[in-house]
Amino acid sequence: EVQLVESGGALVQPGGSLRLSCAASGFTFNNYEMIWVRQAPGKGLEWVSYINPSASTIYYTDSVKGRFTISRDNAKNSLYLQMNNLSAEDTAVYYCAREAGSGYCFDYWGQGTLVTVSS
Amino acid sequence: QSALTQPASVSGSPGQSITISCTGTSSDIGTYNVVSWYQQHPGKAPKLMIYDVTKRPSGVSIRFSGSKSGNSASLTISGLQAEDEADYYCCSYAGSRVYVFGTGTKVTVL
Repeated sequence: EVQLVESGGALVQPGGSLRLSCAASGFTFNNYEMIWVRQAPGKGLEWVSYINPSASTIYYTDSVKGRFTISRDNAKNSLYLQMNNLSAEDTAVYYCAREAGSGYCFDYWGQGTLVTVSS
Repeated sequence: QSALTQPASVSGSPGQSITISCTGTSSDIGTYNVVSWYQQHPGKAPKLMIYDVTKRPSGVSIRFSGSKSGNSASLTISGLQAEDEADYYCCSYAGSRVYVFGTGTKVTVL
């Protein structure tokens, strides 16, 4: 059974940093592209970042470029999101998701982890 | 990238059909035939319902169907059921491994 389990969400002050993790199981992690998606309270989904299996190709949405870093450890079947210089606008539930083998859609999602940026 | 435009809400009675629209641009929906749709119940993770505009993943009811014309896509739910009450989001590839989601539509079963 495919499972994605996020962790690391917390309450953090503006300007602070946080590292999210996503533990994958039930599939060959190093064969799949992965993404992070976030959802602000009461709002819609927003694609945040993409990473390919070898971590050689990475993309970010404009609002997080220079502040967030996506990475993965295929030996540990884990995906990460390092978030720096956080602001209130980054408050959201963060989901990791697997890009389907056929590409261009996301067939498995984690349950999400809440990041709250507030003083 | 700007979010794809969806109606805020759509409602229907049990057994009826409803259609949710998703309007993008020539840079996303208009160029790529890879629109996907996600269902999200309150407090839950999104679930893939439609991919590649018209395809259904294994296990998704045949009551869900998708289409596309020009810069817009649509999700149709036929034979509406109480369990279909949820938020629905479209998503399109926008090139260079960038994706854009829709604004979301709340489906209410009357």
